[in-house]
Amino acid sequence: GAGVSQSPSNKVTEKGKDVELRCDPISGHTALYWYRQRLGQGLEFLIYFQGNSAPDKSGLPSDRFSAERTGESVSTLTIQRTQQEDSAVYLCASRPGGAHEQFFGPGTRLTVL
Amino acid sequence: AQSVTQLDSQVPVFEEAPVELRCNYSSSVSVYLFWYVQYPNQGLQLLLKYLSGSTLVKGINGFEAEFNKSQTSFHLRKPSVHISDTAEYFCAVSGWGNKLVFGAGTILRVKS
Repeated sequence: GAGVSQSPSNKVTEKGKDVELRCDPISGHTALYWYRQRLGQGLEFLIYFQGNSAPDKSGLPSDRFSAERTGESVSTLTIQRTQQEDSAVYLCASRPGGAHEQFFGPGTRLTVL
Repeated sequence: AQSVTQLDSQVPVFEEAPVELRCNYSSSVSVYLFWYVQYPNQGLQLLLKYLSGSTLVKGINGFEAEFNKSQTSFHLRKPSVHISDTAEYFCAVSGWGNKLVFGAGTILRVKS
């Protein structure tokens, strides 16, 4: 079956611009996560959606970051007024209910000039 | 709070040699532990996981890991590596909501 997909695969933007990153989870997966991977570092948790519950936003680094998810489908991560330190690979993962393992997408590489 | 420490940032090894990638974690609650592999320009792929039961878990591509609660470790091993195993390996612990806390990663470089 289809895995987690993300778009765009690469995004180059200018400092101060807003960007939207998209994640299509595996069909039927109730949980969805966003992580950030800076160059040479591990992954940092950003935000977690579980069904219709309020999302866990505890990992968002600033109020410039926000994310939405409609039901158990697509999610978008929005970064407003991008800064150079936002440059990273943004990874999305989904997880079926009752399971513990997450399935990752290929990521979106964001470069802020 | 949970944390993961991967003790080696890079591990060079010759092809067909054994390898161990070290991982230590800290957690105040019961944990689930994972190893993921990331090939260049790709997303993360699950190698293996420890949820409960036998402390020796086997994964894909001939990898295995042993959960040691007393030493809070979850080291990854392979008895004989191949060139194709060259990648970055991440150890992770799962916390509340199954959020993953990752180590900084270990780059495995297999040389011929």
